[in-house]
Amino acid sequence: EVQLLESGGGLVQPGGSLRLSCAASGLTFSKYAMSWVRQAPGKGLEWVSGISDTGTFTYYADSVKGRFTISRDNSKNTLYLQMNSLRAEDTAVYYCAKHLTGTSVNFDSWGQGTLVTVAS
Amino acid sequence: QTVVTQEPSLTVSPGGTVTLTCASSTGAVTSGFYPNWFQQKPGQAPRTLIYSTSNKHSWTPARFSGSLLGGKAALTLSGVQPEDEADYYCVLYYGLTHVFGGGTKLTVL
Repeated sequence: EVQLLESGGGLVQPGGSLRLSCAASGLTFSKYAMSWVRQAPGKGLEWVSGISDTGTFTYYADSVKGRFTISRDNSKNTLYLQMNSLRAEDTAVYYCAKHLTGTSVNFDSWGQGTLVTVAS
Repeated sequence: QTVVTQEPSLTVSPGGTVTLTCASSTGAVTSGFYPNWFQQKPGQAPRTLIYSTSNKHSWTPARFSGSLLGGKAALTLSGVQPEDEADYYCVLYYGLTHVFGGGTKLTVL
C-alpha cells in the first residue's frame, strides 16, 4: 500500500523559511512524478509545484515561482518543498501527491497533509 | 490568469443522478487537458476518482464516471449514496502547470 507522510509544517513569521518533507513508502519512489498541492483554510485546492521522476524537470505555479523550490532524494524516498520569503497567503495545508508514472500529469495517491501557518 | 470553473454547489436525492462540470476560461476542454476529478470529505485529504477524462482508479466506485460534455469535463454520479456528500474538485493541465477548479459542494438530501 502506498503511503505518503508529510512533515515539517508549523508556525513561521512572514518572510521566514520552512522545508516540508514527504516520505514515501510502499512504492518504487524513483518511478513516479510528484506534486505539492495546498489548501488554504476553508478554501479550495491549489497546485503548487511538480517534479519529474528523476528530478530533472520541475514546475511551479506563478504564485510561488522564485520563492519555493521542489526537490527529491530518490535514495531516501523523500520529496521536499523549500519555502522561502513566506507570506500570510501561503498559510495552508500542504499535500504531497503521487502521479501515475514518471512523466504522467495524472494524479494518484495523496498524503494526509501538513499545516503551514504564516503569521507574526 | 487561467480560471477553471465548477458549480459552487449542487443538491441531489439519494439514488438520483447528478453531473458536475469543469470549464476552462481558455475555451473548450479536451482530452489534452487530462481532466482529473477528486473527492474530499471534511477533515480528510483529497482522493483521486478519475484521471485522463474517464479512467477510474481501482478504488473508484462504479457509480462515478467521467466524460467530456459540451466543451467541459464532466463527472457523473449515478445512484448517489449518502456517503457521496462531499466536495468535488477537477484539475486541468495547461502544459507544465495544473489549475484546479474552485470545487463543487455536493449535498445529498
